[in-house]
Amino acid sequence: SQQGEEDPQALSIQEGENATMNCSYKTSINNLQWYRQNSGRGLVHLILIRSNEREKHSGRLRVTLDTSKKSSSLLITASRAADTASYFCATDWPQGGKLIFGQGTELSVKP
Amino acid sequence: EAGVAQSPRYKIIEKRQSVAFWCNPISGHATLYWYQQILGQGPKLLIQFQNNGVVDDSQLPKDRFSAERLKGVDSTLKIQPAKLEDSAVYLCASSLDLAAGETQYFGPGTRLLVL
Repeated sequence: SQQGEEDPQALSIQEGENATMNCSYKTSINNLQWYRQNSGRGLVHLILIRSNEREKHSGRLRVTLDTSKKSSSLLITASRAADTASYFCATDWPQGGKLIFGQGTELSVKP
Repeated sequence: EAGVAQSPRYKIIEKRQSVAFWCNPISGHATLYWYQQILGQGPKLLIQFQNNGVVDDSQLPKDRFSAERLKGVDSTLKIQPAKLEDSAVYLCASSLDLAAGETQYFGPGTRLLVL
């Protein structure tokens, strides 16, 4: 079974709005990563947050991590049509390397 | 820097046939992964190599799937015989090393349709 569960499964917003996606996981982790997948393409790494971090920023991305609730959120501010993609959270096992992906959130940004 | 290369990009076969996918990771990357991504789901790890050794193949259906990474560079994933439920995108990824937190770089994937 997959480690992470994302919410919502699909999200549709207008350009310029903010998009928030949530991820919950089951077991303790070293790190949590977020990836983006454009239709028909491979995954692209967006950001990594370590288990001892609570918040991280990268450009228009803001990621939070709450290890007590075993949850993370990804916020994309001032969204653009080019942000239309599926977003996945992935957690790694304590022994390293292996990533467990959630089912993803499909984001649609309308111009 | 060249990314992860995969071929073919698309493959259509009939059930019970065999198929092979090829992956060339980023130069210098010791760790290579094969994932299966069924439509509407996240990628699921099938097998993980460190150089030419298998680190984790716990989710590889070994009765029909096999993979190798000879010489610790390129890798092939084979399905024999294929079933309808093997229809999916097969993604190859590589990372510098095995350590937790290493970024994985993904190829474009091979989309397999089993009829």
